[in-house]
Amino acid sequence: GQNIDQPTEMTATEGAIVQINCTYQTSGFNGLFWYQQHAGEAPTFLSYNVLDGLEEKGRFSSFLSRSKGYSYLLLKELQMKDSASYLCATYNDYKLSFGAGTTVTVRA
Amino acid sequence: NAGVTQTPKFRILKIGQSMTLQCAQDMNHNYMYWYRQDPGMGLKLIYYSVGAGITDKGEVPNGYNVSRSTTEDFPLRLELAAPSQTSVYFCASSDNRVNEQYFGPGTRLTVT
Repeated sequence: GQNIDQPTEMTATEGAIVQINCTYQTSGFNGLFWYQQHAGEAPTFLSYNVLDGLEEKGRFSSFLSRSKGYSYLLLKELQMKDSASYLCATYNDYKLSFGAGTTVTVRA
Repeated sequence: NAGVTQTPKFRILKIGQSMTLQCAQDMNHNYMYWYRQDPGMGLKLIYYSVGAGITDKGEVPNGYNVSRSTTEDFPLRLELAAPSQTSVYFCASSDNRVNEQYFGPGTRLTVT
């Protein structure tokens, strides 16, 4: 089975940096995805890590340590539009298993 | 491209009624998925398909059925609606088993 943990909520100020941690215990693992989901909308893809290390994509970076079952999503230069839920998901055998999501609130 | 489309956007069902949630994609993706998302919870996989004519159960398949007669369409059938099926349903597709999934806008279903 899949057990994926991430914090429920985080609050940060506009322009700051926030790091969302995700730990997982899975029976099989091929990679880790991060999705962003604004309230009332569908999830949209942010990043995919399959190897250990940091992947940088503009203001967003994602890190993976397979040996520790750990990932984080780093959001830099926060903007009001970054207020959303961030979903960590492990990938195995065609299927994604999602964590409950972390709601990030950006304050002015 | 329209991407992944879902109909209806909203629906209220009475207990015991049946309905079909429609999902279509125009990206020629082989892989399609149905998820449900309850408030404060992550998405749970209901069924998935790796190509026309091939479907398989996900994590929470009970109470649902699917079919995949074409590459484009992947309908989800609820036979006897129950209050526990009140949720937001998302359909998704991908072109490769390791690539990102594209999600439809969702169907908000209430069973009373």
